[in-house]
Amino acid sequence: GNSVTQMEGPVTLSEEAFLTINCTYTATGYPSLFWYVQYPGEGLQLLLKATKADDKGSNKGFEATYRKETTSFHLEKGSVQVSDSAVYFCALRGARGTGFQKLVFGTGTRLLVSP
Amino acid sequence: DTEVTQTPKHLVMGMTNKKSLKCEQHMGHRAMYWYKQKAKKPPELMFVYSYEKLSINESVPSRFSPECPNSSLLNLHLHALQPEDSALYLCASSQVKERSSYEQYFGPGTRLTVT
Repeated sequence: GNSVTQMEGPVTLSEEAFLTINCTYTATGYPSLFWYVQYPGEGLQLLLKATKADDKGSNKGFEATYRKETTSFHLEKGSVQVSDSAVYFCALRGARGTGFQKLVFGTGTRLLVSP
Repeated sequence: DTEVTQTPKHLVMGMTNKKSLKCEQHMGHRAMYWYKQKAKKPPELMFVYSYEKLSINESVPSRFSPECPNSSLLNLHLHALQPEDSALYLCASSQVKERSSYEQYFGPGTRLTVT
């Protein structure tokens, strides 16, 4: 079945540091890939997406590239801010015929940014 | 507008109570979802409605009863819950058109406490 593996957290960084959160997946065919962010006490917000190999999703300074050859979708940001402190979820939506109606989530990675 | 609204924001109920959670979206999405999220965990899918018909029930106990009165509204009726049902309940919606990435947009959630 489809699955997503995320790096364990928490990830602790100082403001303006470079961020990488690793995400790898297992799926049949060509799934769609997403990053969601959850701030304390809130729901999930869609951060970025990619629907085919080599697509780069980007939003608010965050980027992730859909790498079919390494089955990865790592999240990066060049300079984090205190306001980026949150939990980040990598998620996969299977291709049609392979559970396309379901989102499969990674376990989440907590990011803590200090001033 | 990518807003999904949920009411109430917080709910405390006893094990013999009957209550309902409500979700609304006006993005023209024809798929709607209920998720349950426990602390420090990713969301777990409960139900999926597609074109107002229940398409997925992830073996959820019958004390949870979903309803989709129209394409914009989704309810979750609660009866005889257990303390372990205390969690954040998230609603989401998405397109179901061909060639869309089917990204899901989440509401802020209802924090449910069962006493």
